[in-house]
Amino acid sequence: GAVVSQHPSWVICKSGTSVKIECRSLDFQATTMFWYRQFPKQSLMLMATSNEGSKATYEQGVEKDKFLINHASLTLSTLTVTSAHPEDSSFYICSARAPDSNTEAFFGQGTRLTVV
Amino acid sequence: RKEVEQDPGPFNVPEGATVAFNCTYSNSASQSFFWYRQDCRKEPKLLMSVYSSGNEDGRFTAQLNRASQYISLLIRDSKLSDSATYLCVVNRSGYNKLIFGAGTRLAVHP
Repeated sequence: GAVVSQHPSWVICKSGTSVKIECRSLDFQATTMFWYRQFPKQSLMLMATSNEGSKATYEQGVEKDKFLINHASLTLSTLTVTSAHPEDSSFYICSARAPDSNTEAFFGQGTRLTVV
Repeated sequence: RKEVEQDPGPFNVPEGATVAFNCTYSNSASQSFFWYRQDCRKEPKLLMSVYSSGNEDGRFTAQLNRASQYISLLIRDSKLSDSATYLCVVNRSGYNKLIFGAGTRLAVHP
């Protein structure tokens, strides 16, 4: 099946620094990728939809200037958490769907971010 | 009200038990339905899609009732390895986003 690779799997950073997370679709072209955040014992919350070659679409309440998304190619989307704070510590997961919109989504392995 | 609602559990059951999870969705425009499984600190993985006619995959049976906007997952002969969080997921037609329920935790014990 299709594979989505996410990197890094975990990162610890200091408050005020920025962290970049990469999401790659390995065997299909993903014009759209999705970024989720999951706090402990809570469900995945969609943060934004990443569109190749255009601006990302952010969900209500998600700061676009804090969570920068770049989708420069059909196989790579990046999420940069800028000026990270401890409350940004969470599990960030990307996903991509094959061109048929009704098919399953494939998820990256997730990135556990800890801001100290 | 959340768009996809699930009983959070946890469901604690012995091996061999049959357990059923329920899910309701509020948007009648929802077109595609899925059950995902998520292990602790891991990404979600597709367990099965849910079709109007109902579908079965081994010990797992999924049902969809569009009139009631209700989805179910039945697990028979539970195994220890079934312990996980089960996520109910819906997708609206023409709306290329998956909406996740909060998940139902299952713990199968010996």
